[in-house]
Amino acid sequence: DTAVSQTPKYLVTQMGNDKSIKCEQNLGHDTMYWYKQDSKKFLKIMFSYNNKELIINETVPNRFSPKSPDKAHLNLHINSLELGDSAVYFCASSPGQNTYEQYFGPGTRLTVT
Amino acid sequence: GQNIDQPTEMTATEGAIVQINCTYQTSGFNGLFWYQQHAGEAPTFLSYNVLDGLEEKGRFSSFLSRSKGYSYLLLKELQMKDSASYLCAPNTGGFKTIFGAGTRLFVKA
Repeated sequence: DTAVSQTPKYLVTQMGNDKSIKCEQNLGHDTMYWYKQDSKKFLKIMFSYNNKELIINETVPNRFSPKSPDKAHLNLHINSLELGDSAVYFCASSPGQNTYEQYFGPGTRLTVT
Repeated sequence: GQNIDQPTEMTATEGAIVQINCTYQTSGFNGLFWYQQHAGEAPTFLSYNVLDGLEEKGRFSSFLSRSKGYSYLLLKELQMKDSASYLCAPNTGGFKTIFGAGTRLFVKA
């Protein structure tokens, strides 16, 4: 069974569109994350939820809105897509904070044309 | 501010030993992770250091000096499959872990 899954794996869309990426983990973890990895391979944290509560919200445009319907799911909705949003988006989960390793999903490659 | 420095690329020969260095400056610090990321794949956990010193785990070892803001990952008996990016990632407190840009390691026969 896949520990952290994301859908879709690839997403190609045009500027101005709205799209969502879904993430699910079956590890029973309390904490979930969204990361963006750009073409230079920097992996930057965007959001983190702990027990469905938003605890990290980096300087991300308002066009990005995470939603956590329950502890096992963390979805990412993006409005009015821009060219600069093209990147690989990784979802991750961990049992908690500090010392716990993160388990990453396979990533969603978003291409905005 | 937050800053993580590690070499962009390294090349080593199969069977050899390679050391990947990382220096960091963060506003808070709880410990340091190393992750491996193969091209086109997700990062996977390698090690976590909280205290100063060397932690050994099979062919991989990781070292931390908190006072110097320095860590290294040591890979022994290199194999072709070790060709990947290695990400240095300090945990700055709470739920936040910051990732470096990674060191791309090329292992040649």
